[in-house]
Amino acid sequence: DGGITQSPKYLFRKEGQNVTLSCEQNLNHDAMYWYRQDPGQGLRLIYYSQIVNDFQKGDIAEGYSVSREKKESFPLTVTSAQKNPTAFYLCASSIEPAALDGSNQPQHFGDGTRLSIL
Amino acid sequence: GQQVMQIPQYQHVQEGEDFTTYCNSSTTLSNIQWYKQRPGGHPVFLIQLVKSGEVKKQKRLTFQFGEAKKNSSLHITATQTTDVGTYFCAGRPYNNNDMRFGAGTRLTVKP
Repeated sequence: DGGITQSPKYLFRKEGQNVTLSCEQNLNHDAMYWYRQDPGQGLRLIYYSQIVNDFQKGDIAEGYSVSREKKESFPLTVTSAQKNPTAFYLCASSIEPAALDGSNQPQHFGDGTRLSIL
Repeated sequence: GQQVMQIPQYQHVQEGEDFTTYCNSSTTLSNIQWYKQRPGGHPVFLIQLVKSGEVKKQKRLTFQFGEAKKNSSLHITATQTTDVGTYFCAGRPYNNNDMRFGAGTRLTVKP
């Protein structure tokens, strides 16, 4: 079955450590996204990538880094510079980011990774 | 910052009652999408509205896009326990390529 796989489901980080969240998709989608979900704040965009080897910052990119070396993979690193990393992280993908008629392709989400600080 | 506001944050209804969530943007939107996230799950795409004043229906769900393309609503008629979850709107401002999500409305339904 095609889909998006995020791993691990739960992750714990010690103070001062970097940690990398995995996101893999076999939908052949060009665009991939990382969101952070906190209670009462909805989904906030961290980074997105429209093509391989290219990515853009979202609203809350500080303390995070990404790479897009392969179309299928878009890992997110939460660095020690992120002061409040405890959250639920969602990865998503879409066929293409935007169309000329004003529409956007639907985003398909993974099951998420819940990150906690020890 | 957040450009798409969604209200209410929470809504608790008795099964059979109607439910509405509203989405408002400070800027004109190219389109608006609606997603549903079941408890413990991930957001799932429901529908997209693109045209000014557009109305779309999916069974008991009615979606509207305002004439000015700055607001939208999702109305559920005669809620059922299967409607439980958080409903998100997401809009793309004309001057942006990325979708901006609202904070979501969490719906609970009492049998």
